[in-house]
Amino acid sequence: ETGVTQTPRHLVMGMTNKKSLKCEQHLGHNAMYWYKQSAKKPLELMFVYNFKEQTENNSVPSRFSPECPNSSHLFLHLHTLQPEDSALYLCASSQEVAQPQHFGDGTRLSIL
Amino acid sequence: DAKTTQPPSMDCAEGRAANLPCNHSTISGNEYVYWYRQIHSQGPQYIIHGLKNNETNEMASLIITEDRKSSTLILPHATLRDTAVYYCIVRGHDYKLSFGAGTTVTVRA
Repeated sequence: ETGVTQTPRHLVMGMTNKKSLKCEQHLGHNAMYWYKQSAKKPLELMFVYNFKEQTENNSVPSRFSPECPNSSHLFLHLHTLQPEDSALYLCASSQEVAQPQHFGDGTRLSIL
Repeated sequence: DAKTTQPPSMDCAEGRAANLPCNHSTISGNEYVYWYRQIHSQGPQYIIHGLKNNETNEMASLIITEDRKSSTLILPHATLRDTAVYYCIVRGHDYKLSFGAGTTVTVRA
């Protein structure tokens, strides 16, 4: 139990669907992150939120839309995804942005 | 830009200490050495980090050389559940974690 919970754990969707990934942290942290992990590639940072404000968008396509309603919750809204977007999407949180990050177990996303 | 170099894989025996090396010859004075691991089907797990002094916690010990150009993560008594990919990361005082290929550690009974 890492204190960072991601749902769903697995998601299969068509390219025209709209879905959302959810992340919740129970650690009282102020910073939250979305990462993408594709097969045989290093983790890629996608978005960073610090005190609910987005501080980093790492050139992510607009078909990925993050939302951070409060410091404990982070969403990733998905629409019109491509097959190459199939990957493990990981959420992480940290007390402050310079502190160690704690990860959830990810959502395994498959695009048909 | 790879800041660390790790062996791609290593085996160790259950119950023995596992010593994982990492080279970071271009590390700058304000950069930390972080270690994470990723067990299959799970997210990365933070293990330990240090600046220049050796560090120890309930999971592992981190030994950093005096010139800070290399370090060793020590798992004192490896168990089968320690089988994972271990990542050595050099990080400045910001949020950027750059995960490389890591070392695949296999603990054998």
